[in-house]
Amino acid sequence: GENVEQHPSTLSVQEGDSAVIKCTYSDSASNYFPWYKQELGKRPQLIIDIRSNVGEKKDQRIAVTLNKTAKHFSLHITETQPEDSAVYFCAASMGTGGGADGLTFGKGTHLIIQP
Amino acid sequence: SAVISQKPSRDICQRGTSLTIQCQVDSQVTMMFWYRQQPGQSLTLIATANQGSEATYESGFVIDKFPISRPNLTFSTLTVSNMSPEDSSIYLCSVRGRIYEQYFGPGTRLTVT
Repeated sequence: GENVEQHPSTLSVQEGDSAVIKCTYSDSASNYFPWYKQELGKRPQLIIDIRSNVGEKKDQRIAVTLNKTAKHFSLHITETQPEDSAVYFCAASMGTGGGADGLTFGKGTHLIIQP
Repeated sequence: SAVISQKPSRDICQRGTSLTIQCQVDSQVTMMFWYRQQPGQSLTLIATANQGSEATYESGFVIDKFPISRPNLTFSTLTVSNMSPEDSSIYLCSVRGRIYEQYFGPGTRLTVT
């Protein structure tokens, strides 16, 4: 089955700086790569996603890049703000639209924004 | 995105008993999923629930322990059977959106004593 590795496990950055979280996946059949933000005691919230036919996607201060050949994808957050502090999870799935679309998650990155 | 609710939000149960968790969506969805998130850990897929067919379980999860029902396009239940302290976790349902995205319910925090 799919295996998703995520690094780093903890990331501390100064407010206003950029943060980058990296993930690798093992199954070349995976086609869909979402990122979730989870605040303490809350449900995971989808913040951005990318499909394998796209190399980069951006939404305001958040961007995701995908290198399908190398089987890795990254989350980039620019101009970090205190409200960006949370645990971020990457995930992968087949993206077929069918029953194989369950997500395999990375172990998570605790992002700390230092004021 | 759909509005997803779960009941109960939390429960404390004794070992050997069973708990049924409900997941309700405010619109019809084809695919629903059940995940487990142990304290301080990541999410692990338990099973995929497609309306009108048997749930598909991931490796390490079996129907006798985690029976799932999916009677219609807006509702699903997950039962945690014969519970032990190792089952203490947050159980989350998710629904697939318009394409491949998944949205999560608020979760059910289960403590087994």
